This record gives sequence, structure tokens and C-alpha cells, in this order.
Amino acid sequence: EAGVAQSPRYKIIEKRQSVAFWCNPISGHATLYWYQQILGQGPKLLIQFQNNGVVDDSQLPKDRFSAERLKGVDSTLKIQPAKLEDSAVYLCASSMGTGGFNEQFFGPGTRLTVL
Amino acid sequence: AQSVTQPDIHITVSEGASLELRCNYSYGATPYLFWYVQSPGQGLQLLLKYFSGDTLVQGIKGFEAEFKRSQSSFNLRKPSVHWSDAAEYFCAVATSGGSYIPTFGRGTSLIVHP
Repeated sequence: EAGVAQSPRYKIIEKRQSVAFWCNPISGHATLYWYQQILGQGPKLLIQFQNNGVVDDSQLPKDRFSAERLKGVDSTLKIQPAKLEDSAVYLCASSMGTGGFNEQFFGPGTRLTVL
Repeated sequence: AQSVTQPDIHITVSEGASLELRCNYSYGATPYLFWYVQSPGQGLQLLLKYFSGDTLVQGIKGFEAEFKRSQSSFNLRKPSVHWSDAAEYFCAVATSGGSYIPTFGRGTSLIVHP
């Protein structure tokens, strides 16, 4: 079974530029999550999708971050414009359903550096 | 609101020694509890989870964790550490009050000496 795929693996941009990350979840997984992991901290949820609908985006900085999951499969996370404090690893995860008992499977992440 | 504390930022052990990583949570009821491992450049991998029932939970790679309600703790243990266990370990809690969205601790970095 293929795991969660993410691209790119690394990205370096200057502040005020825009950037986009892509995630392909495990086939059949209805729920998709984007996390931000700042160095030295645990992952923090940015947004959760159930199929192509948003379940929770309360911690997404909506003035600069946006995410979509068209057709309920792949997802993209965009930052525009980027700030220095956005430097982090962006993790995508997927699970079969919502609820704490559903195991989340994580991708390798995209490491973003904002200069 | 739920929260989770991992009091140790770094833990150093010798290969073959036993290991215990600490995790404490704050929540009024029994939450769902998880331990994840993250190797360098990799995503998180679930080691084990506790929802209910037997308070001693067995996981992958020889790890186990014990839920102690009286101490609000869910410590991770391994009787004999291998060099390949060197990684970052995250404890996480999910509750109905938090819509079952996991809250992660800051992580504990495990260093294994030969």
C-alpha cells in the first residue's frame, strides 16, 4: 500500500513570496489533515478535510494560508505572502475517517525555509 | 482544553539499556492517547494508542506504554534500546472536547550511545 505522498520535499523562498505544497493521501482515505511543525515543537493542526469539505480550520491563518481538496482526493496548501515565521515542516496526514480512533498516516513533510 | 506535556527535551541512553519517556496530559475525562516516532526527514509513525480497557498497551518495535489515570500519565517504555531507536518521540492526546483533533507534545529527542 502506497503511503501519503508530498511534494516538494524542500522549498526555500524569500518573504512575501508565495508557495504551494501538494499532498496525495492513501487511496480510500476520506480524511486529510495539514499540520505545521515548527522546529522544536510538536505538529499543530492547520486544517482538516472530510472528503472535499472542511471539518476544522480554526488554526489556519486565513489571511495568508489557504487550502483546498478538490474532488476529495489530492490537496494543496498555499501560503501567500510568506513570512519568516512560516519556516517549518508542513506535514500532510490521512485517515479512513474522522474521530480520534482513526489512525493517521503521515507523509514525509515539506520543509519550508523563508529568508 | 486538552494539553499534553513531555517534560524531557532530550534523553540519552546506552544501547541495550531500558527506556522510559514521560508524558502527562490535562483533561477532565479519559482521552485517547498516542505515541508517535519521527525519524530524521520522515513523517510521524504511530507506535501505539490507548482508548480504553487494559492500561498496559503494546505497540510496534517492542514499545509499550502504561496509562495511569491517577497520575494523568501515559509513559512510553522499552526494555532494551537499539541504536535504530534514536529519533524524536511525540505523545498526543485527542478528546471529544477537542473534536478528536490530536494535540501533540513538544517531543522528546532520544539519543542512543553505543
